[in-house]
Amino acid sequence: GENVEQHPSTLSVQEGDSAVIKCTYSDSASNYFPWYKQELGKRPQLIIDIRSNVGEKKDQRIAVTLNKTAKHFSLHITETQPEDSAVYFCAARTGTASKLTFGTGTRLQVTL
Amino acid sequence: GAVVSQHPSWVICKSGTSVKIECRSLDFQATTMFWYRQFPKQSLMLMATSNEGSKATYEQGVEKDKFLINHASLTLSTLTVTSAHPEDSSFYICSTARTNTEAFFGQGTRLTVV
Repeated sequence: GENVEQHPSTLSVQEGDSAVIKCTYSDSASNYFPWYKQELGKRPQLIIDIRSNVGEKKDQRIAVTLNKTAKHFSLHITETQPEDSAVYFCAARTGTASKLTFGTGTRLQVTL
Repeated sequence: GAVVSQHPSWVICKSGTSVKIECRSLDFQATTMFWYRQFPKQSLMLMATSNEGSKATYEQGVEKDKFLINHASLTLSTLTVTSAHPEDSSFYICSTARTNTEAFFGQGTRLTVV
């Protein structure tokens, strides 16, 4: 089955700096890669996603890049703000409505 | 997007009792529901996949007799934790998706077994 690795496990950046979180996946058939922000005790919140036919996607301060050959994808947050502090998860999905395999999570701390 | 309603949002139960968690798909017919478990400071791990009208598929290491899943209708899937013990204390969350859409999550249920 699919295996998703995520790094780093913790990340501390100063406000205004950029943050990058990286994930690798094992199943070349995976075709959908969402990123979630999760606050304590809450459901994961989709912040951006990318499909396998696209190499990059951007939404304001957030961008995701996908390298299908290397089987890795990355989340980029620019101009970080304290409210970006949370746990972020990457995930991968094979098929059109199947289960998600999650990465291990990254705790992002944005300091003033 | 689709709305998935999960309840209860939190529950405290005594060791040895059973707890039922419900997930309802409010605005579309969910033929499949995924049940995840998340221990503190860990990731979401798939426990089982429930399919309307058929038996659930459990992931390796998940006891099907302990975590009973019922998906009797296209709008309701339930997870019952039977004979709960403190080690079952966790955050349980359901999820579903339409074809080629993002995943939709319930609000999650914080289970504490005392």
